[in-house]
Amino acid sequence: ELKVEQNPLFLSMQEGKNYTIYCNYSTTSDRLYWYRQDPGKSLESLFVLLSNGAVKQEGRLMASLDTKARLSTLHITAAVHDLSATYFCAGIEYSGGGADGLTFGKGTHLIIQP
Amino acid sequence: DVKVTQSSRYLVKRTGEKVFLECVQDMDHENMFWYRQDPGLGLRLIYFSYDVKMKEKGDIPEGYSVSREKKERFSLILESASTNQTSMYLCASIAGGTYNEQFFGPGTRLTVL
Repeated sequence: ELKVEQNPLFLSMQEGKNYTIYCNYSTTSDRLYWYRQDPGKSLESLFVLLSNGAVKQEGRLMASLDTKARLSTLHITAAVHDLSATYFCAGIEYSGGGADGLTFGKGTHLIIQP
Repeated sequence: DVKVTQSSRYLVKRTGEKVFLECVQDMDHENMFWYRQDPGLGLRLIYFSYDVKMKEKGDIPEGYSVSREKKERFSLILESASTNQTSMYLCASIAGGTYNEQFFGPGTRLTVL
């Protein structure tokens, strides 16, 4: 059974600083997902990481995947207030029928202060 | 650019009522999912479906059932709503074969009184 752990669960940082959110997972996951959620809203897809060594970047966010270490990271560069949100990572398991749904970490509540 | 829609954004029901939550996707996806999200517990999978008329239990199926009569529509049913089913319910879909991006609907915030 896939388990996903994120840390930290809460992060307060200043604008302009860099930081990293970590996502560990327990068993093989062929994909690793990162989502953003604003208060009261649904989940917005940020990245889908497909293979070992995958790195994707969008603006000030960069995600990477190390399948051997079962670790994904979401790095924030020169944070700005607009990035304040809750960030989730998730893995996926497959069975014979198809996709069995995502298993999510608890989420990292990120607050970026001026 | 609508991808996944849910029938209601907010819903208030009474204990014991039968509740239907509807989800429709316009991407011809085979796989559809229902999650609930609660503070401190994160997102948990209730039921999912690989194809029409197929359904599988997720991690927390108790008190729920589902229906998938058409490919684009996946319904979540609370047979007899209880206060502990007050939650945010999120529907999602993903294409078969590629297993790439999973799209989420806007969510339904259900309150059971």
